[in-house]
Amino acid sequence: GENVEQHPSTLSVQEGDSAVIKCTYSDSASNYFPWYKQELGKGPQLIIDIRSNVGEKKDQRIAVTLNKTAKHFSLHITETQPEDSAVYFCAASKPGANNLFFGTGTRLTVIP
Amino acid sequence: NAGVTQTPKFRILKIGQSMTLQCTQDMNHNYMYWYRQDPGMGLKLIYYSVGAGITDKGEVPNGYNVSRSTTEDFPLRLELAAPSQTSVYFCASNRGSNQPQHFGDGTRLSIL
Repeated sequence: GENVEQHPSTLSVQEGDSAVIKCTYSDSASNYFPWYKQELGKGPQLIIDIRSNVGEKKDQRIAVTLNKTAKHFSLHITETQPEDSAVYFCAASKPGANNLFFGTGTRLTVIP
Repeated sequence: NAGVTQTPKFRILKIGQSMTLQCTQDMNHNYMYWYRQDPGMGLKLIYYSVGAGITDKGEVPNGYNVSRSTTEDFPLRLELAAPSQTSVYFCASNRGSNQPQHFGDGTRLSIL
């Protein structure tokens, strides 16, 4: 199966700074890479996703980059705000697969 | 649209008891999933369904059962609760494989 590793496990940044979370995956056949944000007491919420035919995708302050050769992808949050504080999960899946394989999460704290 | 609704939100069980975790979605999604989330870990897939009457095992199915009699509902049953099943359980749904998954807010289950 797929193995997704995520780093760091915790990240603290000053409000307004950027935050970067990195994930690696093991199966070169994986082609779909979503990122989820989980707030306390809530379920994960999709914030952005990328497919393997694209190297970068951006949505306002959030961007994701994908390096298929190195099998890693990253989440970039610019101009961080206190409401960005949450746990972020990366995930990966293969074509036709019904499994999403999740990383172990990054707890992001934005300090006002 | 309520999205994915899970009940109950919290439950305490005694070892050996049984219970059913309820999940319903109103997005007419064919695919539904059950995950468990343990502290410091990512989500692990328990069971999934690609349509009414069709279910299949995920990574960690032991100790659980599911059924899918309608498109909307996907209940998860614990027959003989064990302390190792203490976890947060999330239900999710989507339109198909490699499509964004929508999550409920979870059921927090403690087995004592």
